[in-house]
Order: sequence, then structure tokens, then C-alpha cells
Amino acid sequence: KAGVTQTPRYLIKTRGQQVTLSCSPISGHRSVSWYQQTPGQGLQFLFEYFSETQRNKGNFPGRFSGRQFSNSRSEMNVSTLELGDSALYLCASSLGDTGYTEAFFGQGTRLTVV
Amino acid sequence: AQSVAQPEDQVNVAEGNPLTVKCTYSVSGNPYLFWYVQYPNRGLQFLLKYITGDNLVKGSYGFEAEFNKSQTSFHLKKPSALVSDSALYFCAVRPPARQLTFGSGTQLTVLP
Repeated sequence: KAGVTQTPRYLIKTRGQQVTLSCSPISGHRSVSWYQQTPGQGLQFLFEYFSETQRNKGNFPGRFSGRQFSNSRSEMNVSTLELGDSALYLCASSLGDTGYTEAFFGQGTRLTVV
Repeated sequence: AQSVAQPEDQVNVAEGNPLTVKCTYSVSGNPYLFWYVQYPNRGLQFLLKYITGDNLVKGSYGFEAEFNKSQTSFHLKKPSALVSDSALYFCAVRPPARQLTFGSGTQLTVLP
């Protein structure tokens, strides 16, 4: 069974640009969550989707957005990139929306903003 | 608001000795509790979870965790540490209908 796939693995963008990151969940998983990981802030929750609906959202500015498609694949977009957006972005999928099923993480997309 | 505290940024233990990585949480209601491990340049890997029932939970790679409701703790343990256990460990809590919230992580180093 294939794991969670995130593309691209590495990305370098210039300040002010926008970026789209992609996440393909494990087959059959309908819940997808996104996290930002930085050395200073640790793992910060961005948003969670279940069956194309956003269920929870973290405390990030509106420049961060996401969506989920009917096949459960998800994308997140960051507009007007800032240097502080440099981070490892992790996607996780889980089977349902009950909360007690464990999340499986992808290897992440390393975004560097210069 | 929910929160998770991992009071130790770094834990060092000799190979073969028992290890403990501490976690306490603050949340209303009965949360679901998780431990994850992260190796360099990798995503997080699930180790174990507590949902309900027996306070001692067994997970992958010989790890176990003890849920203590009165102390709101969920410490990760292993009877005999291996050098390959060296990694970054995260505790996480998830109240029903809310998102998964992670602690700040504890770097475990097992010395040969």
C-alpha cells in the first residue's frame, strides 16, 4: 500500500511569489491535514479537510489556503511568500474523521524562500 | 485550548538502559493521545496511541506509553534503548472534533 505522497520534495521560491504544494493520501483515506514545521515554532497545524470540507483551521494568515478534491488529494497554496514561510510542510492522511485513527505523514515538502 | 508539553528538549540515555520521554497535556474532555517519531529529513512515523481502556499502551519497535489521567501525562517508555532509537519524538493530543496538536518535540540520543 503506497504511503502519503507529497510533491515536490524541495522547492525554492522568491519572496512575493506564490507556491502550490500537493499531497496524495493513502488510498481509502478521506481526511488530510497540513502542518508547518520550523526549528523555532515546531509543528504548527494549518488545516484539515475531510470529504472536500475544511473541518479545522489553524492560526495562519489568509495567505495560506488549501483545498481537497473529490479523490481526496489535497493542495495547499501560499501566496505572497515571505522569508518566514521557509519550512518543512507536512501532509498527513487518516482513514476517517473520528479523531482516534492515527495520521500517516508524508516526507514533506521543504520550501525555501529567498 | 488544547496544549501539549514536552519538558525536555534533549534526553540522553546509554544503550541497553531504559528510556522515558515525558509528555503532559492540557485539554478539556477525554482526548486521544499519540506518539510519533521523526528521523532526519523524514516525515513523522506513528508509534502508538491511547484512546480508552488499559492505561499502558504498547506500540511499534518495543515502545510503550503510560496514560495517567490524574497527572494528565502520557510518558513514552522503552525497557532497553537501542542506538537506532535516536530520533526526534513528538507527543500529540487530539480532543474529539478538534485538530491534532503536537508538543515541541524531544531529541532522544542513545549513546553506544
